[in-house]
Amino acid sequence: AQRVTQPEKLLSVFKGAPVELKCNYSYSGSPELFWYVQYSRQRLQLLLRHISRESIKGFTADLNKGETSFHLKKPFAQEEDSAMYYCALSTLKAAGNKLTFGGGTRVLVKP
Amino acid sequence: ETGVTQSPTHLIKTRGQQVTLRCSSQSGHNTVSWYQQALGQGPQFIFQYYREEENGRGNFPPRFSGLQFPNYSSELNVNALELDDSALYLCASSDPTSAETQYFGPGTRLLVL
Repeated sequence: AQRVTQPEKLLSVFKGAPVELKCNYSYSGSPELFWYVQYSRQRLQLLLRHISRESIKGFTADLNKGETSFHLKKPFAQEEDSAMYYCALSTLKAAGNKLTFGGGTRVLVKP
Repeated sequence: ETGVTQSPTHLIKTRGQQVTLRCSSQSGHNTVSWYQQALGQGPQFIFQYYREEENGRGNFPPRFSGLQFPNYSSELNVNALELDDSALYLCASSDPTSAETQYFGPGTRLLVL
């Protein structure tokens, strides 16, 4: 069975400081990893996916299969980055794809 | 383009009752997934519907059931409500050309007393 772990419930950083959100997963197959974000009073939305290898809003995430990790990083946090972040693993099988989410990390960027 | 919509936004029920939640998928999306998000936790996969048939199910009892209609909208039904069913219920639809990316609705918050 697949599992996603986000060890930090809360990350508090000052504006301009680097921020790293940790995500570890367990899955026997080839994983598809995502980061979803939920800003205050908004719906859950996709931030980035590992297969795209792109930077979104200054965030990047690298899939490390050896360490089974998909940490999210941003070198200079902004106040608008304050939100709830969820790491998710997708299993695409004949029975249908589903997302397995971690418990989430709340990021608070202080001025 | 219309995003995913859900109704109602909030609902209060008592233990033992039944509830139906509704979801309209984003235009052009034929796959709908339902998730339960308890307070302080990440969303948990309930099941998925593709072209009106169940296409994968998470670890939820049979009293959680669903439907998908020809226009790809969907319903989630929960029978014999329990206190632990209190949660935010999220619906997500998928683009058939990018099945991995799911687009979420705002959710329905259910409180069971």
